Amino acid sequence: DAKTTQPPSMDCAEGRAANLPCNHSTISGNEYVYWYRQIHSQGPQYIIHGLKNNETNEMASLIITEDRKSSTLILPHATLRDTAVYYCIVRVGGSQGNLIFGKGTKLSVKP
Amino acid sequence: SAVISQKPSRDICQRGTSLTIQCQVDSQVTMMFWYRQQPGQSLTLIATANQGSEATYESGFVIDKFPISRPNLTFSTLTVSNMSPEDSSIYLCSARLGLYYGYTFGSGTRLTVV
Repeated sequence: DAKTTQPPSMDCAEGRAANLPCNHSTISGNEYVYWYRQIHSQGPQYIIHGLKNNETNEMASLIITEDRKSSTLILPHATLRDTAVYYCIVRVGGSQGNLIFGKGTKLSVKP
Repeated sequence: SAVISQKPSRDICQRGTSLTIQCQVDSQVTMMFWYRQQPGQSLTLIATANQGSEATYESGFVIDKFPISRPNLTFSTLTVSNMSPEDSSIYLCSARLGLYYGYTFGSGTRLTVV
């Protein structure tokens, strides 16, 4: 079973920051948090992942709370092309584990 | 990251028949996975394809229905056997270069069973 809980949908205005929350209260100490997104009819696309520290790359920032029970994905300047389903995933099974997807958040970026 | 090609990209099949989906990776990868995405749903892991040994199936998926081959480090197949309309889904292949790499996904095979 998925170890994450996300809101089913969110709206964001174009050009504004999109903040997508995720709860993972049962996460274990060595389990990573991954974020993927799926644009309609395409395979999931990797965004970012982290363990404890906040992470940033060219696509997004990942903020993980100190107790690691929740995290937030931040898209700093959302565009219409960011409209997608965003999945917050806790990797299970250690370093050789696999990704168990939850239901995700449908993000709609509006003009 | 690895680039994954899946064939076919879509197919319409008669119930009772079988379809084999191919997954080709442009690099040698340690881990390959197969997922199913039913209409309007999230992805469900079917199995981990192990090179040189039998696949490891998740609960609810069995080898007789979804036989998997992994003959080398760049290629895997998933067969959907004795298909019924309930098997209509997108089937996705995923791969990982190694322990310190991310997971890459193919664009999927859209299967419709009539």
